[in-house]
Amino acid sequence: DSGVTQTPKHLITATGQRVTLRCSPRSGDLSVYWYQQSLDQGLQFLIQYYNGEERAKGNILERFSAQQFPDLHSELNLSSLELGDSALYFCASSLLNTGELFFGEGSRLTVL
Amino acid sequence: AQSVTQLGSHVSVSEGALVLLRCNYSSSVPPYLFWYVQYPNQGLQLLLKYTSAATLVKGINGFEAEFKKSETSFHLTKPSAHMSDAAEYFCAVSDNFSGGSNYKLTFGKGTLLTVNP
Repeated sequence: DSGVTQTPKHLITATGQRVTLRCSPRSGDLSVYWYQQSLDQGLQFLIQYYNGEERAKGNILERFSAQQFPDLHSELNLSSLELGDSALYFCASSLLNTGELFFGEGSRLTVL
Repeated sequence: AQSVTQLGSHVSVSEGALVLLRCNYSSSVPPYLFWYVQYPNQGLQLLLKYTSAATLVKGINGFEAEFKKSETSFHLTKPSAHMSDAAEYFCAVSDNFSGGSNYKLTFGKGTLLTVNP
């Protein structure tokens, strides 16, 4: 158990819909990262938050947004969903910038 | 921009055989390098990391990796494979933002390791 909690574990929805994925980092970790894992693209970095502020942005679509709240949990919002958004979305957290990220078990999104 | 190339999307070995998973990196600054493992239906777990100290890094479960700057490589090895090693392995590189809070880890495409009895 990494200490990072992600909900929901599985989500099935239709095209055009909006979903919210939630992540609770390890106790004390200030940084939260979101990654998307798909068969064709592999692991893609989406976005990083540090203590409530956005710090780095990767290949995140404009239809996607994220935020980190004062209690340090984070949410990833995916809107106007398309079939190609079907993927495993991972949240990871870290305290120090040493590359030692602790990953949750992921949220598997299926868009039908 | 940093990048990682993992040679071989699928490696198959026999139980007890040597495991060698290849990783080459590209970085404009001295990198931090990592190997992560992902077991089925689980998140990624750190195996080992190189952060400019010893070039031979030992990790968990008997794995080790050697940083070779001249070859820009960071290959992962284990002398004797076990059935429980079957998983997907990811090499990753990061910016060495010393003291900074903005930070990104770039992963390779992964190598699926199969261990045959």
